[in-house]
This record gives sequence, structure tokens and C-alpha cells, in this order.
Amino acid sequence: EVQLVESGGGLVQPGGSLRLSCAASGFTVSSNYMTWVRQAPGKGLEWVSVIYSGGSTYYADSVKGRFTISRDNSKNTLYLQMNSLRAEDTAVYYCARDPTPFWFDPWGRGTLVTVSS
Amino acid sequence: QSALTQPPSASGSPGQSVTISCTGTSSDVGGYNYVSWYQQHPGKAPRVMIYEVSKRPSGVPDRFSGSKSGNTASLTVSGLQAEDEADYYCSSYAGSNNLYVVFGGGTKLTVL
Repeated sequence: EVQLVESGGGLVQPGGSLRLSCAASGFTVSSNYMTWVRQAPGKGLEWVSVIYSGGSTYYADSVKGRFTISRDNSKNTLYLQMNSLRAEDTAVYYCARDPTPFWFDPWGRGTLVTVSS
Repeated sequence: QSALTQPPSASGSPGQSVTISCTGTSSDVGGYNYVSWYQQHPGKAPRVMIYEVSKRPSGVPDRFSGSKSGNTASLTVSGLQAEDEADYYCSSYAGSNNLYVVFGGGTKLTVL
């Protein structure tokens, strides 16, 4: 079964850092485009970052320079390192596979990041 | 403000059909056949219902269909069922690596 499980969310103060993990099973992370999407409480979906199978990485302007997407092929796991966190980064963060670019399936269950003092 | 425009709500009675629109520009919806639709029940992760404008992934009922005309894409749900009540989001490739995908603001579908 193809599955994604996120972890690493929690409460962090403004300016702090957090690293999210997304463990994959049933497929190989490094052979796929993988993406992070977030959803602020009561709001819609926002694309955050993508890593191509070849390793290229791209970010939404709202997180560029603060967030870093990466993967560990040996652990078949995707990561999102989030630095200089702001209140507006508060959201549920989902990882998703991008089977043939520009659509997402499956999605993980999400992990909540709350940035607050 | 979302990049793609969706109506905030839609509704229909069981058995009826409902169509949800998603309006973008020639730089996203109108420029590429990479429109997707996602269903999200409260507290759950999104689930893809349609990709590449009109393709249905395995396991998605054929009651769900997608289309596009110009800068507007549409999702039609036929034979509405109670379990179709959810939020629906459209998305589109946005033409550049740094604006990879843009989403609509979401439509709350209510089955009356």
C-alpha cells in the first residue's frame, strides 16, 4: 500500500525552527517528485515546496530562504526544514507524491505546526 | 486571496448533479491541461478526484467528471450522495518552478 506519514509538528516560538519528516512506504521517494502543501486553520491549500526526482528543489515565495526540502534515500523519507518561523506559518503541513507532475496522490494525514509565543 | 477563483459554496439534493467552477488565467488554467480537483472531508487529508483536467484516478467513482473551457475548469458531481459533502479544491500548474501549483480557495459542497 502506498502511504505517507508525517511527523515533527508542534508548538514553536516565532523565529524558531522545526524539521518535519514524511516517511513513505509502498514506493520510492527518490524516484518521484515530492511536495509539501500547507493549510492554515480554516483556510485553503497552499503549495510550499517541491523536490524533483533529479534533486532540483523549488519553493513558494512565502517560504523561500527560510524552508529547505530534502530527502534521505536510505530512509525513504522526505523532510522540510523550517527556520525563522512566523505566526503566518501556522498550518497543517501535508506531504504528497506528485505521480506525473502537477497533481498530488497520495497525501499524508498532515502534521500541525503552531508558531506562537 | 487565492490564485484560482471558486464559489465558496454549492449544493444539491441526493441524486442531482452539481458543477463547481474554477477560474484562473491564461497563465495557469487556460495555458495548460494540468488542472486537478481534490476532495477534503473535515479533519482529513485531501484526496485527488480528477487530474489533468478530466482523468479519474483508480478508485474514484465515475460520478465525478472534469472539463475545461478557456480559463475556467469545472468539476461535475452527478448522482449526488451524502458522502460527497465535503470541501473541493481545484489546482493548476502555474507555469514556473517557483509557482509550481496554485490552488483555488475551495468550495463547500452541501448535500441537502
